[in-house]
Amino acid sequence: DGGITQSPKYLFRKEGQNVTLSCEQNLNHDAMYWYRQDPGQGLRLIYYSQIVNDFQKGDIAEGYSVSREKKESFPLTVTSAQKNPTAFYLCASSIGLANYGYTFGSGTRLTVV
Amino acid sequence: AQKVTQAQTEISVVEKEDVTLDCVYETRDTTYYLFWYKQPPSGELVFLIRRNSFDEQNEISGRYSWNFQKSTSSFNFTITASQVVDSAVYFCALSDYSGGSNYKLTFGKGTLLTVNP
Repeated sequence: DGGITQSPKYLFRKEGQNVTLSCEQNLNHDAMYWYRQDPGQGLRLIYYSQIVNDFQKGDIAEGYSVSREKKESFPLTVTSAQKNPTAFYLCASSIGLANYGYTFGSGTRLTVV
Repeated sequence: AQKVTQAQTEISVVEKEDVTLDCVYETRDTTYYLFWYKQPPSGELVFLIRRNSFDEQNEISGRYSWNFQKSTSSFNFTITASQVVDSAVYFCALSDYSGGSNYKLTFGKGTLLTVNP
């Protein structure tokens, strides 16, 4: 079955460490996205990528980095520069235009202690 | 700029009650798309409906129905005869061509619906 796989589901890191969240899709979608979800804040866009080897900052990109070396993969690195990294992170993909909506992964809950 | 407002932060109902979730949007574009997603406790957002700005017909899917009114910039979602399994966070979202491209969905903050037995 086609879909988006995010791993791991739960992740714990010590403050000051970088951590990379995995996102893989087998839907042959061109565009991929990373959102952050905090209680009462809704979904906020971190980074997005419309094609391989290209990506753009979203609304809250500071302290995060991404790469898009393969169509199927869009990993997100939470760096030590991110001041409040504890959150629920959702990866999504779309055919290309957002008109068609997104398919979401099941999310990674990151806790930094 | 585009914006989606879900004024109801939390709603609690008893099973079999009808419940309406409100969504108000802002956009300068004449062409846009509206969405509803459901987020159960497992975390993954599940697509419910997509509606384009040129189609104002209301839609019904089983116990779910959607009322799109351009005159009030609203896209409300009604669950009839609610069930415990409907308990989730529901997000309304907008896609338009702000800035000359259509690359992202703008989400509301979500409404937490709790259906009690």
